[in-house]
Amino acid sequence: AQKVTQAQTEISVVEKEDVTLDCVYETRDTTYYLFWYKQPPSGELVFLIRRNSFDEQNEISGRYSWNFQKSTSSFNFTITASQVVDSAVYFCALLIVNTGFQKLVFGTGTRLLVSP
Amino acid sequence: KAGVTQTPRYLIKTRGQQVTLSCSPISGHRSVSWYQQTPGQGLQFLFEYFSETQRNKGNFPGRFSGRQFSNSRSEMNVSTLELGDSALYLCASSLGFREDEQYFGPGTRLTVT
Repeated sequence: AQKVTQAQTEISVVEKEDVTLDCVYETRDTTYYLFWYKQPPSGELVFLIRRNSFDEQNEISGRYSWNFQKSTSSFNFTITASQVVDSAVYFCALLIVNTGFQKLVFGTGTRLLVSP
Repeated sequence: KAGVTQTPRYLIKTRGQQVTLSCSPISGHRSVSWYQQTPGQGLQFLFEYFSETQRNKGNFPGRFSGRQFSNSRSEMNVSTLELGDSALYLCASSLGFREDEQYFGPGTRLTVT
């Protein structure tokens, strides 16, 4: 069975602190994709990054970076020098890739509160 | 390029009624997926449509149904509403290839009283 675990329910930091959001996934498939989405108070899920199971390179995009480790089935997300605008719920998701369909399995989300 | 749009944004219904939600995908996207988000169950997959055909369905009762039109717009219907159906219903569109990222709409918040 496929499963995504985000053990951190809520994290509170002060602006400019670095923060890491953890994501652990389970799947028996050898080909899979991992995603991070951000959900601001407006409700819309905003796509942040996609990573496939064959690419373990870490990625950095501005203040955001992602660390993918197949050995520990983790796909962690770090925000450097956090800002108030980063306050949102962040979801890690696993894309089930099968013949002819797409299905995202989401973690329960981590609520990030960044205070000034 | 316009994003995914969902109508209505907010809806209040009474138990036993039925409701239809609409989703217009990004132009050129042929796959539309629906998700239900509740505080207790989180984000759960409802179903996915591609070229007017349901490709996959989540573990929801038959009261939840959907369809997709030739222009890729999709509707979701819930019959005989229950209090537990109160949720944020999110629609996502993608090109439809297996690994494509899904782009989400703002959601429809349904409240059942």
